Parts: sequence; structure tokens; C-alpha cells
Amino acid sequence: DAGVTQSPTHLIKTRGQQVTLRCSPKSGHDTVSWYQQALGQGPQFIFQYYEEEERQRGNFPDRFSGHQFPNYSSELNVNALLLGDSALYLCASSLGVGYYEQYFGPGTRLTVT
Amino acid sequence: RKEVEQDPGPFNVPEGATVAFNCTYSNSASQSFFWYRQDCRKEPKLLMSVYSSGNEDGRFTAQLNRASQYISLLIRDSKLSDSATYLCVVGSSGYSTLTFGKGTMLLVSP
Repeated sequence: DAGVTQSPTHLIKTRGQQVTLRCSPKSGHDTVSWYQQALGQGPQFIFQYYEEEERQRGNFPDRFSGHQFPNYSSELNVNALLLGDSALYLCASSLGVGYYEQYFGPGTRLTVT
Repeated sequence: RKEVEQDPGPFNVPEGATVAFNCTYSNSASQSFFWYRQDCRKEPKLLMSVYSSGNEDGRFTAQLNRASQYISLLIRDSKLSDSATYLCVVGSSGYSTLTFGKGTMLLVSP
């Protein structure tokens, strides 16, 4: 039973650049949520995708956008990178929008220089 | 007031000790409650859900007090492998989004 997978594992970008992170949900799950975890903080909710639509969004600027594909995999895009975007980006999957138990992937560690 | 508040610790305990973590949440409409465990530089992993009646899983006991908006986690007979950060997590909207506390660090020593 495949768990949540994310790619790449690590990424180094320069301020102003754009980045795309990818996530494949756990087998059987159809909902993907993205979180940002800065050092020493708990994960913060970015947005959630279900049926290829953004269903819920946290307090993040429009520079953060996403997409969900028909196979339930998802991408997180961040434009015009800032130093403060350096963080661990976590993808979590769950079964349906009303089901709270979420399973996390290993994350992508993004460093912006 | 932060949505989910936890004592950041660290809690330093010897092996075999009993340790308790507490958490408070601000949204009285919150619906689901969890404890996640996160090892250093790893992803959070679901430790247990928390139910109004309280629940136990081996050495771990979780309790919820909705009136006080308070969640607790008790770990008995601590093991070295219990060393980690414990995240209190609350689900508050119909779209199953989760709000995390900053976490409480536990260090179990021999």
C-alpha cells in the first residue's frame, strides 16, 4: 500500500524564482492538502484540493497556487520566491473532504537564497 | 489568542517515567482532535485521534474536555524511542483542514 510521496526531497532556489512541488496521495485517497512548516513551528495550512478544485485556502498570498490532476496527484506552485518561503512543504492526503484523518508525505525542504 | 496552544517544552524525563502534555484550542466549533508525532526533520505521523470519551492506545491515553477546550496526552512508561515533538491538532471546518499547535518536545533519557 503506497503511502504519500513527494518530490523533490530538497530544493534550493533564488529569490524571485518560481518553484513547483509535487505530491501523490496515499492509495485510495482523493483529497490533498498542502502545509508549510517553518523551523520551530507547527505546519500551517495552505490549501486543499478535492475533485480537481481548490476547496479551502489558508492565509497565504496568491503567489501560492496549486492544481489537482484526475489521478488525484497534486502540485504546489510558488511564484516570486521570498527568503521567508524557506520551509518544509508537506502534502497530506485523506479520503474525502469531510474526513479529518490525514497522512503526510515526507515533505520537500525548500531553501530560498 | 493562538488557535491551538501548547507548551513547547522541552520535557526531559527518564525512561519509565509518566509524562503529560496539554493543549488548548480557541475555536469552540472544532470537530476533530488528534495528536501527531514528529521526529526531527521528518513528517508528522498520526499518533491517535482524541474522542470525547477519552481513548487509550497501549501506553498512550488521550482526553478531550470540550467545555474547557482542552486536550491532553499521557504517556506511561516512557521509552527512549518516544523522544520526538508531539503536535496537538484540531479540525475545525467542514473541509477537514487541520490546525496545528507548535508542538511539545519530549526528550527521554536513559
